[in-house]
Amino acid sequence: AQSVTQLDSQVPVFEEAPVELRCNYSSSVSVYLFWYVQYPNQGLQLLLKYLSGSTLVKGINGFEAEFNKSQTSFHLRKPSVHISDTAEYFCAVSDRITGFQKLVFGTGTRLLVSP
Amino acid sequence: DGGITQSPKYLFRKEGQNVTLSCEQNLNHDAMYWYRQDPGQGLRLIYYSQIVNDFQKGDIAEGYSVSREKKESFPLTVTSAQKNPTAFYLCASQSSGTAQAEAFFGQGTRLTVV
Repeated sequence: AQSVTQLDSQVPVFEEAPVELRCNYSSSVSVYLFWYVQYPNQGLQLLLKYLSGSTLVKGINGFEAEFNKSQTSFHLRKPSVHISDTAEYFCAVSDRITGFQKLVFGTGTRLLVSP
Repeated sequence: DGGITQSPKYLFRKEGQNVTLSCEQNLNHDAMYWYRQDPGQGLRLIYYSQIVNDFQKGDIAEGYSVSREKKESFPLTVTSAQKNPTAFYLCASQSSGTAQAEAFFGQGTRLTVV
């Protein structure tokens, strides 16, 4: 079974500063990895996903993530954040066999961007 | 516009009542899912359906029921057997039940027991 650990429940940062949201996973099989964003009282929106190929994945809104198989990590980064990036971010994993229905989410990281 | 519509946005339930949350999609997606979200716990899968008239239990199906009579609709009933139903409920759909296909989420329904 897979599991996901988001190491920080909350990350405060000033506008225009860089940010990294950490995600580690465990799985006995090859996985797909995802980052979703959730704005207050909204559904989730896909930021980016890693299926195969290049380990550096670029997503929407200037975010990117790097898959590191040896460290079982998939950290999310943005070089310069905006106030509008304030939201909750979820890392998720699914194995390559069972697919989306077995998508396992982390507990989320709340990104708080202040002026 | 194509998308997923959940209704109502807010729902209040009295103890012992059953309530039904609506989820409709016009994306022509085969797969649909219900998740429950609690603070600090992420999302947990309640039920999923990959085809009309078929659905499977997720990790926390007890106290919930679903139906999939139409491709575009996947209502969730929270029964009186669900001991702690206060939560944020999210519906999602996907063109197929494979991980490569992006999932689209509705705006959620916040259920509160009063």
